[in-house]
Amino acid sequence: DAGVIQSPRHEVTEMGQEVTLRCKPISGHNSLFWYRQTMMRGLELLIYFNNNVPIDDSGMPEDRFSAKMPNASFSTLKIQPSEPRDSAVYFCASRRTGDYNQPQHFGDGTRLSIL
Amino acid sequence: KQEVTQIPAALSVPEGENLVLNCSFTDSAIYNLQWFRQDPGKGLTSLLLIQSSQREQTSGRLNASLDKSSGRSTLYIAASQPGDSATYLCAAHTGGFKTIFGAGTRLFVKA
Repeated sequence: DAGVIQSPRHEVTEMGQEVTLRCKPISGHNSLFWYRQTMMRGLELLIYFNNNVPIDDSGMPEDRFSAKMPNASFSTLKIQPSEPRDSAVYFCASRRTGDYNQPQHFGDGTRLSIL
Repeated sequence: KQEVTQIPAALSVPEGENLVLNCSFTDSAIYNLQWFRQDPGKGLTSLLLIQSSQREQTSGRLNASLDKSSGRSTLYIAASQPGDSATYLCAAHTGGFKTIFGAGTRLFVKA
């Protein structure tokens, strides 16, 4: 089991640039979550997909943020244009659908710095 | 609205000591309570998951308990080791897909 794979691990870019974060969930996991972690706000859920369909994006902070899941093995989180306050660690997690008592499995995250 | 609180925020203990980490939640209507470990620069690793119908779960030196009526969970670590140094987070799954995380307890075990 390869685990949840995120790329890139680190991203440093200038304000105003487009940023794309990528996630490959564990095979067979049909639920996918994007989280953001900061010192001030802790771990926050941004968006949740079930069977490739966005179920709730109420955690997405602004229209500058968008997420897609074109197939069961790939998802992206895009920020356009990026701002310094978007600097955080972004995590992707997946879980087997249909059983809330299955744990979420997290990737190692993308550490994003917007200058 | 579910809120999850962890006490203490940080803890430093000598190697070999038994310790307890605390987690409290405001809404007892949870599906499960999960404990995670996070190492610096890494994602979260699931340690134990206690279903709402269960009272505790054990894995090796770790034991997690759940008291829904009082809105509390504890993580007990026996015979702590320097390798246990990490941040421990609890998370309450409140239904649907909502998982609310605590801010974590940063543990340092001194050799």
